[in-house]
Amino acid sequence: AQSVTQLGSHVSVSEGALVLLRCNYSSSVPPYLFWYVQYPNQGLQLLLKYTTGATLVKGINGFEAEFKKSETSFHLTKPSAHMSDAAEYFCAVTGGSNYKLTFGKGTLLTVNP
Amino acid sequence: DADVTQTPRNRITKTGKRIMLECSQTKGHDRMYWYRQDPGLGLRLIYYSFDVKDINKGEISDGYSVSRQAQAKFSLSLESAIPNQTALYFCATSDLGGAGNYNEQFFGPGTRLTVL
Repeated sequence: AQSVTQLGSHVSVSEGALVLLRCNYSSSVPPYLFWYVQYPNQGLQLLLKYTTGATLVKGINGFEAEFKKSETSFHLTKPSAHMSDAAEYFCAVTGGSNYKLTFGKGTLLTVNP
Repeated sequence: DADVTQTPRNRITKTGKRIMLECSQTKGHDRMYWYRQDPGLGLRLIYYSFDVKDINKGEISDGYSVSRQAQAKFSLSLESAIPNQTALYFCATSDLGGAGNYNEQFFGPGTRLTVL
């Protein structure tokens, strides 16, 4: 079984500041991890994913995430926030050949001018 | 054209009415999913289908049914809608996957359903 915990349902940053969205997971098998972004009135779009190999994963729009097995974490970062980054972000996990994608409850990112 | 489409995009209905939400995809994927999204709860899986003849319940299937009419079409029905089914509904698709089978899912734009 898998589970995802996203710390902070709402994160607010200033434009140009570091973005850090936290995700911790639980999985009984080696996990595959995803970050999805949902812009207002839109569906979910894949931001980045970790499957195997390099633990630092780069995604679209300047985002990246690092898989840390010892900490069971997959935190999402961006060095400098832009107004267009305002959205809801979901972390998700699946394991091995398991079909099931388990989502966290989401973190709403607000970017202040 | 969008790869995963959902109709309608918005729907308001009354308690007790039957309603169908439709999903179509042009990605050629075998696997299709229905999720509901509620504020603060993330996405929860309602039903999923690995092919036309393989349909399975997710974590919150009570009050819902589905039909997989073709590889490209997967419909969700509420037989007798109730107010707590007011939510945003998403359809998603995925391939069988290559090496690793990491189940990347592709989402439609969502249907906002309000049950009065």
